[in-house]
Amino acid sequence: SQQGEEDPQALSIQEGENATMNCSYKTSINNLQWYRQNSGRGLVHLILIRSNEREKHSGRLRVTLDTSKKSSSLLITASRAADTASYFCATGSDGGFKTIFGAGTRLFVKA
Amino acid sequence: DGGITQSPKYLFRKEGQNVTLSCEQNLNHDAMYWYRQDPGQGLRLIYYSQIVNDFQKGDIAEGYSVSREKKESFPLTVTSAQKNPTAFYLCASSIGFTAGGFKDTQYFGPGTRLTVL
Repeated sequence: SQQGEEDPQALSIQEGENATMNCSYKTSINNLQWYRQNSGRGLVHLILIRSNEREKHSGRLRVTLDTSKKSSSLLITASRAADTASYFCATGSDGGFKTIFGAGTRLFVKA
Repeated sequence: DGGITQSPKYLFRKEGQNVTLSCEQNLNHDAMYWYRQDPGQGLRLIYYSQIVNDFQKGDIAEGYSVSREKKESFPLTVTSAQKNPTAFYLCASSIGFTAGGFKDTQYFGPGTRLTVL
């Protein structure tokens, strides 16, 4: 079964609005990562947050992690049409090699 | 996609044929991975390799085989035993273990889209 499950499955917003995507997971983790995938392309790493961190920023991205609720959120502020992509959360645990990816949130940003 | 390449970009296979997908990285990473992605789905791990000459089955290894004879190369063979091979295949690499612990960030290639005719 999937470790990470993103919510919503799809999100459509206007350019300039903020986009929030959520991820829930089931087991203990060392870290949680967010990746972006443009259609038909490979994934690009966006940000990694460790289990002892609660919030992390990178440019227009803000990631939060609540280990008590086993959930994370990715906020993209002031969205642009170029942000249109699928966004995946991925969890890493002890041993590290088997990073588990969720099914993704498809974000559409309308110009 | 920089530093990790996959070829070909598109691959067509007749039923009953084996095909090999190439993955090469020049990032000096120890760990390499193969994932399968079906339309609208997340990634499922096929095989991974922690170090040269070693590899482990992932969650959906049946019908696939790999080798890791060189650090920079991790080819994936889709055999005729794979019942439904049409999918998008992604290769990735990561640093692996360092003095600071395991480095999870994975770097992905551009993918190979395999279609069975």
